[in-house]
Amino acid sequence: DAKTTQPNSMESNEEEPVHLPCNHSTISGTDYIHWYRQLPSQGPEYVIHGLTSNVNNRMASLAIAEDRKSSTLILHRATLRDAAVYYCILLGSQGNLIFGKGTKLSVKP
Amino acid sequence: SQTIHQWPATLVQPVGSPLSLECTVEGTSNPNLYWYRQAAGRGLQLLFYSVGIGQISSEVPQNLSASRPQDRQFILSSKKLLLSDSGFYLCAWSVGRLYYEQYFGPGTRLTVT
Repeated sequence: DAKTTQPNSMESNEEEPVHLPCNHSTISGTDYIHWYRQLPSQGPEYVIHGLTSNVNNRMASLAIAEDRKSSTLILHRATLRDAAVYYCILLGSQGNLIFGKGTKLSVKP
Repeated sequence: SQTIHQWPATLVQPVGSPLSLECTVEGTSNPNLYWYRQAAGRGLQLLFYSVGIGQISSEVPQNLSASRPQDRQFILSSKKLLLSDSGFYLCAWSVGRLYYEQYFGPGTRLTVT
């Protein structure tokens, strides 16, 4: 499975947008980019996924670079409830979800 | 809407004792079902997945087993627990393409003493 690289941690202020980056320079043409987040002592929560085009849903937006070697998860207005570890995962035609270390997002009031 | 239940929420078991964790899903039919384990300070590890009743695929060889006796019921078992079985056990479900858009349950925190 192709690997992803994310910053270990990020900080944001409440009600401000947050851009969480993910590098995946070895992504293959059939790999989808998935994002999950995990709050303390809870199971992961699906956020969004995409292949080539930018994607929006009620939780977030996913911006995918034209060469697909990087992507950014965008939380439009961070709330305290968004404080979590965010995982960027590549999923291809074979293999399963492999959760790395992710980015720990802290949100300050 | 779909919901997923896991029980118990926490469990303390002695080494060598048996284990049975149950997961049920409501509000969907023929889901893909998954068991994951998260050891302390580590990432999630896929243990088993199932695409239908009686169909179980194991990702990691170990002393655990899984069964799917009903469409929306997934059970994780062990005949004899090891200390290394301690961890946070999560059940998840999805529909359609395997591994895509998984929804996780609240988890069971297992401590083997």
